[in-house]
Amino acid sequence: NAGVTQTPKFQVLKTGQSMTLQCAQDMNHEYMSWYRQDPGMGLRLIHYSVGAGITDQGEVPNGYNVSRSTTEDFPLRLLSAAPSQTSVYFCASSPRGFGPQHFGDGTRLSIL
Amino acid sequence: KNEVEQSPQNLTAQEGEFITINCSYSVGISALHWLQQHPGGGIVSLFMLSSGKKKHGRLIATINIQEKHSSLHITASHPRDSAVYICAVPASGSARQLTFGSGTQLTVLP
Repeated sequence: NAGVTQTPKFQVLKTGQSMTLQCAQDMNHEYMSWYRQDPGMGLRLIHYSVGAGITDQGEVPNGYNVSRSTTEDFPLRLLSAAPSQTSVYFCASSPRGFGPQHFGDGTRLSIL
Repeated sequence: KNEVEQSPQNLTAQEGEFITINCSYSVGISALHWLQQHPGGGIVSLFMLSSGKKKHGRLIATINIQEKHSSLHITASHPRDSAVYICAVPASGSARQLTFGSGTQLTVLP
């Protein structure tokens, strides 16, 4: 099993550009989530999904969009990139909402 | 919102020392996570516990639900234990969302 796979690992964008961070898991987990990690702060939840077709906002959802068309995939879209979105992004999955979390390796995103 | 505080923020130890990292939270919970973030950035789940104590190798996690406090202990610390250790609890009102502490940076010197 590959676990949770995130792509790309690194990305540099210009302000105003859009892009999609990909996340896929092969463990048949129902629950998937996106976090951002900024220096000196804990991981913060952006969006999460409790199953295919169901998504909800987390603590810091503004400027991001998600969809969950399949159990395996949970892409995160930046609609119009802003420097404040410079961060490290992690995707995670778990078999239930508050079960053991399985994290991807992260995407380091810089917005110029 | 459940507030999570970890202490210390930074910890430097000599190889072989016994390490304790603390986590306190403000709202009662059903269970708590301890995570490890490697120097390369990857995050792995170490423990999920709801009461008492769990042990895995040289790592021991304890939780006191009444006092809203958990500790992570490392016995016979080794340089490969150098990492950031993070605790996480359910955000109040939503067990589906986790609130994370800001982490404890542990450095173990040979």
